[in-house]
Amino acid sequence: GQNIDQPTEMTATEGAIVQINCTYQTSGFNGLFWYQQHAGEAPTFLSYNVLDGLEEKGRFSSFLSRSKGYSYLLLKELQMKDSASYLCAVTESNYQLIWGAGTKLIIKP
Amino acid sequence: ETGVTQTPRHLVMGMTNKKSLKCEQHLGHNAMYWYKQSAKKPLELMFVYNFKEQTENNSVPSRFSPECPNSSHLFLHLHTLQPEDSALYLCASSQDRDQNTGELFFGEGSRLTVL
Repeated sequence: GQNIDQPTEMTATEGAIVQINCTYQTSGFNGLFWYQQHAGEAPTFLSYNVLDGLEEKGRFSSFLSRSKGYSYLLLKELQMKDSASYLCAVTESNYQLIWGAGTKLIIKP
Repeated sequence: ETGVTQTPRHLVMGMTNKKSLKCEQHLGHNAMYWYKQSAKKPLELMFVYNFKEQTENNSVPSRFSPECPNSSHLFLHLHTLQPEDSALYLCASSQDRDQNTGELFFGEGSRLTVL
């Protein structure tokens, strides 16, 4: 069946690095998205991976391994404003978007 | 002006009330979506409209009724809801229905509480 797993909550320290993992089992694969959602706000697009490897965008990087059904979002030089939920989503072969439940990231000073 | 605007931001209604949620997008997109977001659960896709035509209805109860008068506006009509329908309802848009490479642009959501 369809399933996307990501940790429910993570805590990290300001200035540090954190890696948020996402594993998926879907009916085909046409790409993986990461979205950021601050409390009470709209989810906003962070990254899109369709080929294996690492995509870097400033302090944020996203990695994909299609053979392992695995992705991670890497956040460097953490800032307090990075406290948010991070949503992993996979596009299946029929272009249906399947979502994980999100990882709440708490940044401590 | 934000790309996707939802009103109202908060709504409290009784089980016998009828209300509507409104979504408007200023991005020139052709596809619009309604999602339900409950605490600690994945986003649930409810309805999809592409070029004003409904293309998906993911087994949503009939007490939720969507309306898309044009490609910029989307409504969700609510009637005789249940307390378990309390959630954040998110509207989103994308360039077209092909979500393969098209990112979604979300509104800030309408927080619904059913008493």
